[in-house]
Amino acid sequence: AQSVTQLDSQVPVFEEAPVELRCNYSSSVSVYLFWYVQYPNQGLQLLLKYLSGSTLVKGINGFEAEFNKSQTSFHLRKPSVHISDTAEYFCAVIGGGTGANNLFFGTGTRLTVIP
Amino acid sequence: NAGVTQTPKFQVLKTGQSMTLQCAQDMNHEYMSWYRQDPGMGLRLIHYSVGAGITDQGEVPNGYNVSRSTTEDFPLRLLSAAPSQTSVYFCASSRGTGTARNTIYFGEGSWLTVV
Repeated sequence: AQSVTQLDSQVPVFEEAPVELRCNYSSSVSVYLFWYVQYPNQGLQLLLKYLSGSTLVKGINGFEAEFNKSQTSFHLRKPSVHISDTAEYFCAVIGGGTGANNLFFGTGTRLTVIP
Repeated sequence: NAGVTQTPKFQVLKTGQSMTLQCAQDMNHEYMSWYRQDPGMGLRLIHYSVGAGITDQGEVPNGYNVSRSTTEDFPLRLLSAAPSQTSVYFCASSRGTGTARNTIYFGEGSWLTVV
């Protein structure tokens, strides 16, 4: 079975400061990892994904994440946040074996950027 | 290109009533799915489909019914609504199945309140 754990439910950060949102996964098979962002009252937008290859993945809006197999982590980072980054962020995993693109989500991290 | 369209966006139901949440995609995607989002629980998979005529259960299928008679449409039926089904519902679709390489697109959500 596959699952993800987001360690922080809320992260407040001042504007232009760096931020890291933490995600750990567990899976007995190869994993594909994702970060999604949800702005208030909207659907989910893909920020970035790790399928294979380079462990540092760059996404939209200046975000990046690093896949760390030994620590089973996929933390999301941004060197300087903006007010517009205030949103909820979800880490998700697709595990092998189901034959379908079923995502399993973490419980989310609410990022609040303080002016 | 409309992408993934969900209707209605908002709905209030009385306990015991039935209703259908509609989901349509115009991208000729094989894979479609329904998630529900509850505070502090992230998104959880209700049902999914890997093609017309093929559906399967996700994590939380009880109280919901689906069918996939066409590639474009994947309606979610609540047979007898309960207050525990108050949630935000998201439909998703992607090209292909069994691979994470194809982007998964989400609709904008349907807010359902059962009183």
